[in-house]
Amino acid sequence: AQKVTQAQTEISVVEKEDVTLDCVYETRDTTYYLFWYKQPPSGELVFLIRRNSFDEQNEISGRYSWNFQKSTSSFNFTITASQVVDSAVYFCALSGDNQGGKLIFGQGTELSVKP
Amino acid sequence: DAGVIQSPRHEVTEMGQEVTLRCKPISGHDYLFWYRQTMMRGLELLIYFNNNVPIDDSGMPEDRFSAKMPNASFSTLKIQPSEPRDSAVYFCASSFDSVNERNYGYTFGSGTRLTVV
Repeated sequence: AQKVTQAQTEISVVEKEDVTLDCVYETRDTTYYLFWYKQPPSGELVFLIRRNSFDEQNEISGRYSWNFQKSTSSFNFTITASQVVDSAVYFCALSGDNQGGKLIFGQGTELSVKP
Repeated sequence: DAGVIQSPRHEVTEMGQEVTLRCKPISGHDYLFWYRQTMMRGLELLIYFNNNVPIDDSGMPEDRFSAKMPNASFSTLKIQPSEPRDSAVYFCASSFDSVNERNYGYTFGSGTRLTVV
């Protein structure tokens, strides 16, 4: 069975702090895909990144970076120099080649960045 | 592209009434998903379609829920009769499947906030 665990329910930081959101996954698929989505207070789900299981290169996009480690089944997300606009709920999600395209979400981490 | 379009954005209805939620996926996407988001259960997959055919409806909570996709550009999720516990945000998402782009960036609609009183 596939499962995504985001152990941190809520995180609160002060602006300009770095923050890491943890994501641990379980799957039996050889080929799978990991995602992060952002849900701001307005409610929409915004796609941030997709990672393939065969590509363990870390990725950086501006203040965002992602660390994918198959050995620990983790796909962590770091925001550098956080800003108030980063306040949102962040979801990690998983889809596997043998799951017919289903996207399984973690429970989400609510990030609050205070000025 | 206008993205995934859902209607209505908000729906308030009385218990026992029929509710129909609508979704227009992105043109060219061959997968369509219906998700429900609640505080208690988070984001849960209700049903999904591939090329207009329902593939997995194991997440549909009970017989009161039904979904259809009569063509590639339209899907509905119907609840009949509605109950207060159905109150949630319902999201529709679409994606496409190709050798190079499989599962890339599922795109979500803005959601329908359903309140059953």
